[in-house]
Amino acid sequence: AQTVTQSQPEMSVQEAETVTLSCTYDTSESNYYLFWYKQPPSRQMILVIRQEAYKQQNATENRFSVNFQKAAKSFSLKISDSQLGDTAMYFCAFLDGDYKLSFGAGTTVTVRA
Amino acid sequence: EAQVTQNPRYLITVTGKKLTVTCSQNMNHEYMSWYRQDPGLGLRQIYYSMNVEVTDKGDVPEGYKVSRKEKRNFPLILESPSPNQTSLYFCASSLTLVDQPQHFGDGTRLSIL
Repeated sequence: AQTVTQSQPEMSVQEAETVTLSCTYDTSESNYYLFWYKQPPSRQMILVIRQEAYKQQNATENRFSVNFQKAAKSFSLKISDSQLGDTAMYFCAFLDGDYKLSFGAGTTVTVRA
Repeated sequence: EAQVTQNPRYLITVTGKKLTVTCSQNMNHEYMSWYRQDPGLGLRQIYYSMNVEVTDKGDVPEGYKVSRKEKRNFPLILESPSPNQTSLYFCASSLTLVDQPQHFGDGTRLSIL
């Protein structure tokens, strides 16, 4: 299994501010996919954003954007203009060439009013 | 409505009593997979299937079985459950092999006593 590390178990942010979640991974592959998933208290798993390793341009979805540093094997998620509905656990995930998906341990984000 | 349906949502049972968690999707997705979620470990892939009659082991397949006899269904079977299989389980499906799980079921909370 690939190793995916999320070093921040918990983060807190004031509403309307920006928070950045870190994710690093370990792989020898050159072509792969990376994802961020959101799990709110309802425990639904929701895909937030995806990045293809061969694309240098960082993916963006509305208030969510990533900073993909392939050489550093880093894939951080930035949430801009945080909203109360962003309160959730966020998981970073890595898809390898065998189509196995590995997840990090997760980061709990709390948005304060 | 696009759905991945898991049943049951909750189950408390005893060690050694065979159980099956069903998973069904209505989106004609080829790829389906099972995960377990444990605190501090994130989600770990148990088994996945790339098409009918094609299944493969994920990172934690021990103690589990799956089958894919039809495209829409992917049941998870615990032949002889043990307490270390107490967990939150998710089934997921996706349209293509690289369009990784965009649809998750609501989860099944299993408690093995």
